[in-house]
Amino acid sequence: QKEVEQNSGPLSVPEGAIASLNCTYSDRGSQSFFWYRQYSGKSPELIMFIYSNGDKEDGRFTAQLNKASQYVSLLIRDSQPSDSATYLCAVNMNSGYSTLTFGKGTMLLVSP
Amino acid sequence: KAGVTQTPRYLIKTRGQQVTLSCSPISGHRSVSWYQQTPGQGLQFLFEYFSETQRNKGNFPGRFSGRQFSNSRSEMNVSTLELGDSALYLCASSPIGPETQYFGPGTRLLVL
Repeated sequence: QKEVEQNSGPLSVPEGAIASLNCTYSDRGSQSFFWYRQYSGKSPELIMFIYSNGDKEDGRFTAQLNKASQYVSLLIRDSQPSDSATYLCAVNMNSGYSTLTFGKGTMLLVSP
Repeated sequence: KAGVTQTPRYLIKTRGQQVTLSCSPISGHRSVSWYQQTPGQGLQFLFEYFSETQRNKGNFPGRFSGRQFSNSRSEMNVSTLELGDSALYLCASSPIGPETQYFGPGTRLLVL
């Protein structure tokens, strides 16, 4: 069974700190990796995606990918209370299709 | 540009009934994917349609079916509803692949 694993949390950080969210995946053939944010009662919204090993930065967000370790992470710098949400890691395990396999998400709580 | 729309937003049905949910993708998007989200299982892939053809299917029973029309709008149908079908059903659209997959607001289905 191809899986994506995330710590359910909650991960609690103070405002202004760096939040680090982690994800591991089981399929070595996975091609692309996504981070979504989901506020309570809302649908997931795409934060960013990454294909290649290394870091990808977008504003306060940095995605990190290590294919050898089958590990993806999301760093949120200068965390704000508005960042409090569940963060979903998703993996495209079948290139060419849009199918995403999601982790169950990590709840992030940013305290003022 | 208008986002993904889903109707209805909320639905209450009883066991044994059937239900049809509708999804209108972002203009120009040809791929529509459906997901079921429950607290216990998280987001699980149901199926994906591209240019009116089912391109991929998740591990759900045959009671779950879908289709896509020539204008890319999609419907999913669940027959003989069970209590366990209570969930948030999310539709996501993308131009081709998962890189820019955007979710609609979802349809919250409650089966009594």
